[in-house]
Amino acid sequence: EPEVTQTPSHQVTQMGQEVILRCVPISNHLYFYWYRQILGQKVEFLVSFYNNEISEKSEIFDDQFSVERPDGSNFTLKIRSTKLEDSAMYFCASTGQVLRTDTQYFGPGTRLTVL
Amino acid sequence: SQQGEEDPQALSIQEGENATMNCSYKTSINNLQWYRQNSGRGLVHLILIRSNEREKHSGRLRVTLDTSKKSSSLLITASRAADTASYFCATAGGTQGGSEKLVFGKGTKLTVNP
Repeated sequence: EPEVTQTPSHQVTQMGQEVILRCVPISNHLYFYWYRQILGQKVEFLVSFYNNEISEKSEIFDDQFSVERPDGSNFTLKIRSTKLEDSAMYFCASTGQVLRTDTQYFGPGTRLTVL
Repeated sequence: SQQGEEDPQALSIQEGENATMNCSYKTSINNLQWYRQNSGRGLVHLILIRSNEREKHSGRLRVTLDTSKKSSSLLITASRAADTASYFCATAGGTQGGSEKLVFGKGTKLTVNP
């Protein structure tokens, strides 16, 4: 069964450093998302992406964040200058062979630790 | 916001018993999805129910949706120790073609004792 994959599974970085989190969505999906979950808290929406542009972003997704689909398979989240409060589990999701409000399939997550 | 909120926050039952978790939300939705998360792991999709549906089944799972009360329930029948996990509801969309982003509740932590 097709699945969303994410790399790395765990990333440790120093405050102020740039990180790139990578995702390979399900191949025939059209809509892509990033969510994050701070330890012990809710899963929060960050950004949605369709047709090579951001379709919606939350207030969390400020100028230090960016997303890109550099080729036909990868979908990346870049955090330019990490802060301690960026430590969280980051999930990529994809959906939408037909409907954008279809089931969203999540990857296993990347645990980001900012020291 | 179309926030989902589950209750109870934690539920502990014996193997073989049924587990019921509830979710309430605030605004109109297109669909409601239930996910499971084992400790520190990814989100596994369980079931999606659309706003025009009232009940759905998948194996030992039964989901109901009451849009008039803005609530949903997830029933797991004949629970197993392997069902131990956190369960989240997430709502999407609105009747006017609103956002497809998922808004998650805080989750119910289910413990099934062998």
